[in-house]
Amino acid sequence: AQKITQTQPGMFVQEKEAVTLDCTYDTSDPSYGLFWYKQPSSGEMIFLIYQGSYDQQNATEGRYSLNFQKARKSANLVISASQLGDSAMYFCANLEAIAGGGADGLTFGKGTHLIIQP
Amino acid sequence: NAGVTQTPKFRILKIGQSMTLQCAQDMNHNYMYWYRQDPGMGLKLIYYSVGAGITDKGEVPNGYNVSRSTTEDFPLRLELAAPSQTSVYFCASSPALYGYTFGSGTRLTVV
Repeated sequence: AQKITQTQPGMFVQEKEAVTLDCTYDTSDPSYGLFWYKQPSSGEMIFLIYQGSYDQQNATEGRYSLNFQKARKSANLVISASQLGDSAMYFCANLEAIAGGGADGLTFGKGTHLIIQP
Repeated sequence: NAGVTQTPKFRILKIGQSMTLQCAQDMNHNYMYWYRQDPGMGLKLIYYSVGAGITDKGEVPNGYNVSRSTTEDFPLRLELAAPSQTSVYFCASSPALYGYTFGSGTRLTVV
């Protein structure tokens, strides 16, 4: 069963508009963490923002904010005032205990390809 | 501060050949990970390590082996390369439960 679902394979957005990238997750672990990563065409994975399952407030990092709705199991990324340089793949990931292991691992969604148009 | 360094960046292998993907980190992180990213997909965990001498399987370990003789290094070994192993491989490290730092990736093609 897919644990991280990103329902938007691709999005086109006008420059300076706000963008919301959807992410829903499925976990039975009460302690987990949700991440968003940006992967530009150059290929590297760039950390954007983190939300812990027990955090009371939504995480924010500059132009990035996370709309965390725990009851709905959603963790949508909001990018305010989009820029051309925001064009990239965006991945949502859940950090939880690896089954039978002694560490936590990231489970990734399939990603959303965001294209910012001038 | 180099962070996580992966070598090589690109490699083409013939079916049945073997190779080692190198990963080194200089942040003294205990946790290290190997992920693969297939086209159009997110990353999947191959192997991980919680410290020197300790490794364990992730979601897709078949066809790979790892070792962790030092805190800094976490090489990934492919013994008999198959076309299904064509992918981009990412090494990552973290000091504890979160705070991942990813390497820049190795793009491997098996022909």
